[in-house]
Amino acid sequence: DAGVIQSPRHEVTEMGQEVTLRCKPISGHDYLFWYRQTMMRGLELLIYFNNNVPIDDSGMPEDRFSAKMPNASFSTLKIQPSEPRDSAVYFCASSLKRSIDPYEQYFGPGTRLTVT
Amino acid sequence: KNQVEQSPQSLIILEGKNCTLQCNYTVSPFSNLRWYKQDTGRGPVSLTIMTFSENTKSNGRYTATLDADTKQSSLHITASQLSDSASYICVVSGRSRDDKIIFGKGTRLHILP
Repeated sequence: DAGVIQSPRHEVTEMGQEVTLRCKPISGHDYLFWYRQTMMRGLELLIYFNNNVPIDDSGMPEDRFSAKMPNASFSTLKIQPSEPRDSAVYFCASSLKRSIDPYEQYFGPGTRLTVT
Repeated sequence: KNQVEQSPQSLIILEGKNCTLQCNYTVSPFSNLRWYKQDTGRGPVSLTIMTFSENTKSNGRYTATLDADTKQSSLHITASQLSDSASYICVVSGRSRDDKIIFGKGTRLHILP
């Protein structure tokens, strides 16, 4: 398996533009997580899905952020409109079960977003 | 408020030396604690996981300890190698109804030749 795949790896955009980040989880995994990582705040859980259904989106910073999982092999995180403070590395992770038990989360390589 | 605090924020040691990273948490009730290694430009990779009843777990040169009474964990690296240069992140999962996963901000470790 190729692991969790994220695209693009790098994104530079201007303030106000729409940004869409993409994730393909590991085949067979039924949990998918979106994280944001910055130097100041570290890793933050934004939202997670179970069997394509959003379970907890309490980490989504504001209405400008939205996430979808139309099927078991694809998810998107959209920011509209983007702002400079959204600049961060966004990680997608998947697991067989939530990491509350021994099943661990497997992280993708991340998308480095820069909003100018 | 559930928190995970890691120390030191960064650490520089010579190749071959040992080091210990600390993680203190306030998450309660506690379910498990995991240490991740994150190489520059890559996603975190799990090193160890410990539940409430475990107090030591090893993975090669990495040994994690857990004191659930004092809510402290440490990650000890023996005979460090240049490839150990990375960020080490402590992650604690709660057993509460909403089962929050709390990430520490990590310790940045630099190994010098």
